[in-house]
This record gives sequence, structure tokens and C-alpha cells, in this order.
Amino acid sequence: RKEVEQDPGPFNVPEGATVAFNCTYSNSASQSFFWYRQDCRKEPKLLMSVYSSGNEDGRFTAQLNRASQYISLLIRDSKLSDSATYLCVVNPPGGYNKLIFGAGTRLAVHP
Amino acid sequence: NAGVTQTPKFQVLKTGQSMTLQCAQDMNHNSMYWYRQDPGMGLRLIYYSASEGTTDKGEVPNGYNVSRLNKREFSLRLESAAPSQTSVYFCASSSSGKNQPQHFGDGTRLSIL
Repeated sequence: RKEVEQDPGPFNVPEGATVAFNCTYSNSASQSFFWYRQDCRKEPKLLMSVYSSGNEDGRFTAQLNRASQYISLLIRDSKLSDSATYLCVVNPPGGYNKLIFGAGTRLAVHP
Repeated sequence: NAGVTQTPKFQVLKTGQSMTLQCAQDMNHNSMYWYRQDPGMGLRLIYYSASEGTTDKGEVPNGYNVSRLNKREFSLRLESAAPSQTSVYFCASSSSGKNQPQHFGDGTRLSIL
């Protein structure tokens, strides 16, 4: 089993739609979680951290379910500019911030 | 703000050639990282440096060496390039401690013929 698993997609949605991605992780002792966004042929950029109580940043909501070992990202009112690959990132125990990256979920928002 | 700067952005090598990828950050971060990204796979950690003067192997270190030249700079060297090392290489940096996000350079696209 991969340490971090994501549905590769693509998720094709119209503008204005709500879309959700899930990501599962294998190490139950993982310490912190992030969502990154990566545009085609660009570097990954931090979208948001994921907190235990769940957190929201504008149209984006992240949730963590430690019991089932998954995190989710919800995007409301999708924009064309949201088209990108979304990377689920987990910080396993052991220190030194050695992040584990999922392979990403591709989102395509169309007019 | 420059953030994390990588050079070169593109490079083509022949099998057996050597080269060094350069990375510098201006965010006063203690920790720096080198990743490679291949199609359909997540970023994989090659080497990291938790602080100036220390380096450690990541998931895929074979065929690579690194140098943490000072707090700002962390270089990645391919001594004898192989076609399997064709990839996109990203350098990243972060503050020390738990739960710190990493900030990435814009990558080096490396092709080995």
C-alpha cells in the first residue's frame, strides 16, 4: 500500500460546481497534513494546512479524519483558475519534516 | 522576494556526464530538500539537510550527492548521469520544527540521453 494515495482523476467539472477530493494515508502516527497545488510544469505551492478540527480558506475547506486516516479538500464555486493538480501531503512521525507527497488529483474546470 | 531559486532551469546531458544543480533560498530557513518528480508519481525525496552542516539520505539517494554549502545554498550533484535520472528536480526549504510547510523552487528539467 502506498503511504499516501489519491485518485488521479481527472475531475472534469463546470464553473460554479462544488468538487471534493479525498486522500488516504497509511501511517496512523502522521503528524501534519497539507494540500499543495501544482499547475502544469510548475512548482508545487502550498494551498493550505489541514488542522484536526477542519479549516476553511475562502472557497476551500480541508478536513482531517484520523480514525479513518484520510484528509479531504472541498472546493466550492469552482473557477477556471482552479484547474490544476492537487497534491495531498503528509508529515510522518520521525521528525525532520520529511514530507510524503501523493501523486496528485487533477482538476479541470470548464466554462 | 526571490524565495527559492534553482539553476539551471533546463539541461540536457549525455549518459556518463556529471553536473551540479544549484539551489539558494533567501528566507533564512534552516532546512532544505531535493526532490525528483516523475510522471504519475509523487515527489520523492532524494536528500535533505535539516540544518547547515548536516545532510541525510531520503527515499531515492542512489546516484546523487549533495552539499550544504552554507545556510542559503544546497546543491545536488550527479556524478555519472544515467537515463533513469531524467526527471524534474525541485529544491525546497522550510523552517525547522514540526508541521512546517515547504516552499519550492520552480524546478530543473533534466534530460539524459
